[in-house]
Order: sequence, then C-alpha cells, then structure tokens
Amino acid sequence: GAGVSQSPSNKVTEKGKDVELRCDPISGHTALYWYRQSLGQGLEFLIYFQGNSAPDKSGLPSDRFSAERTGGSVSTLTIQRTQQEDSAVYLCASSLGRNLAKNIQYFGAGTRLSVL
Amino acid sequence: AQKITQTQPGMFVQEKEAVTLDCTYDTSDPSYGLFWYKQPSSGEMIFLIYQGSYDQQNATEGRYSLNFQKARKSANLVISASQLGDSAMYFCAMREPTGNQFYFGTGTSLTVIP
Repeated sequence: GAGVSQSPSNKVTEKGKDVELRCDPISGHTALYWYRQSLGQGLEFLIYFQGNSAPDKSGLPSDRFSAERTGGSVSTLTIQRTQQEDSAVYLCASSLGRNLAKNIQYFGAGTRLSVL
Repeated sequence: AQKITQTQPGMFVQEKEAVTLDCTYDTSDPSYGLFWYKQPSSGEMIFLIYQGSYDQQNATEGRYSLNFQKARKSANLVISASQLGDSAMYFCAMREPTGNQFYFGTGTSLTVIP
C-alpha cells in the first residue's frame, strides 16, 4: 500500500497477557517511530529505528515494552504482561531518513489497545 | 522545559473565518524543523505544513500558512476560510537534527461552527 499500515486496528486484552502490534512502513522509508497516545493527550515517543543502526529505545516506559524491526521494514511492538495503564492508541510513523531537513513523518491509523 | 508549547486546549471558529493556532518552541540548536499535524476523530495524524529554521519565507500549503517568528520562537498555524472538515485536533511538532525524536505539543482542539 501507499501509506503506513498498522494492525490490528483495535485490540482488547486481559491484564497480564502479552500483545503484539504490527507496523508496515511506507516502502523506501528508512526511519520508523512508535508513539503512544493516551486519551486526550499528546504523543509520547517510544522508540525509533533508523536503517540498520541500533534503535533509540529511550522512550520505552518499562522493560515490558520491546520492539524489533525485521529486514529494515516491518516493525513489531510487544508489550508483555499488559497493565491497565497500557491502554492507549499506539501510533507508528515512518520517514525518509534522519539527515533530511524536511523529515516528514507519515503516520498509520494506529492500534487502539484496551487492557481489561 | 517543554520543547513545544500549545497554550490553547480548545478553539472555536465560525465557518469561513480564519483562525490562528499558537505554538511556541524551545531549542538552542540553530537548525531545526517545525511541523503541524491534524488529527481528526478517526485518529490518523495528517501532515499539514513544514517550516525549516533557515527558510526565509513563511511556509504556505493551500489554506494553511505558518506564521514563523524565529526571534520569538513561535510557529503559529493560520487556517484561512475554515471549513467544517477542519474540526480536529492540531499538533505542533519540532525536530532537532542532533536527536532522533520529534517533540509534539499537547494539541489544540479546533471546532468549526456552521
């Protein structure tokens, strides 16, 4: 597809279960970002991938959160032992690369995670 | 200190009128990029407009323009001839070349009144 694709669009899980959220960036985009948006809030940076470089994990809120990006394309955000405070919309974005002045991020529609 | 500050949690504008959404930023880097995004109720973030710190002219994209005042560190979004479809959340963001992050403000909710 032409845009950033995220799946699932909605995920309901029970407290303590693990969840995996998927992001398929725009073809050719080397940079990929994950954000979390709680209800009525702004975007909280989680993690950044740039090409084959080591990811910037500085935004991950706890060690229950992890992410990988296979083959420089698709990324998976994993949340282990989910808690109710993990309920939020998880947004993925991709861009052409780090060293461009006009580094526009293009966002997916997000995954709405509800932890019961 | 907050990197991006949006002081208007909610704004109302009459259809066909112009509206300005405020954004101030904080950086010591001389090179940076400023972005505005729209987030309708569907949730997807839509890129609207970009302003580079070295750009001589204010950015414009159709009905969107950016009132860039570098000395005041402000990058206000102006929407002309508001339409009902402009009702959404609007986020200001900044990127510094030395880091990986985009810094987002808390957003402004715009409601266009018929």
